Amino acid sequence: DIQMTQSPSSISVSLGDRFTITCRASQDIGNYLSWYQQKPEKSPKLMIYRATNLEDGVPSRFSGSRSGSDYSLTINSLESEDTGIYFCLQHKQYPLTFGSGTKLEIK
Amino acid sequence: EVQLVESGGGLVQPGRSLKLSCAASGFTFSNYYMAWVRQAPKKGLEWVATISTSGSRTYYPDSVKGRFTISRDNAKSSLYLQMNSLKSEDTATYYCARHETGRGYYFDYWGQGVMVTVSS
Repeated sequence: DIQMTQSPSSISVSLGDRFTITCRASQDIGNYLSWYQQKPEKSPKLMIYRATNLEDGVPSRFSGSRSGSDYSLTINSLESEDTGIYFCLQHKQYPLTFGSGTKLEIK
Repeated sequence: EVQLVESGGGLVQPGRSLKLSCAASGFTFSNYYMAWVRQAPKKGLEWVATISTSGSRTYYPDSVKGRFTISRDNAKSSLYLQMNSLKSEDTATYYCARHETGRGYYFDYWGQGVMVTVSS
């Protein structure tokens, strides 16, 4: 099975700051990675697909990138509505596996 | 507008069975792989099952293989999850999710979720 190691597990960031979350894949997943945002008591929302593509309607301050086996989600100029938990998902092969999540709070 | 609405959750005793349903609308259901994903209270997400467009192929993680069965009725635009031999660790919110088609089969739409509690 492919393990997705996500970091950090939680972080507090100031409004307007830049923030990056990383998922490291235990095997090659060839950009088959997506990012989701989950608000309390809500279902996950797709933010980024195929590692670097912004889903329609997602603000342009969100971006995705890859460096080797590390996949990153960056939020530029953090806004209050960006709080929540962020998860990565590898969809290269079954079993599909998620990262453990990053809880983002505003400082 | 794509909508996925789950139903059928509730409290069930360990060892018993429960069947979840997901009613889909706003898209051509038969053209998409579909899935169930769960989230235990205060925990992360876990993929539970995927079914192909025709229903001929199904995929499960080891944690539910042999106990859970995913199925679909394309005529009714409905997805199902039959859960047998339930354990306390199956307690979670279960989400119905649509696999995107063509760019990698990630999940592009999710339902609101339905709670399943396994307890005596």
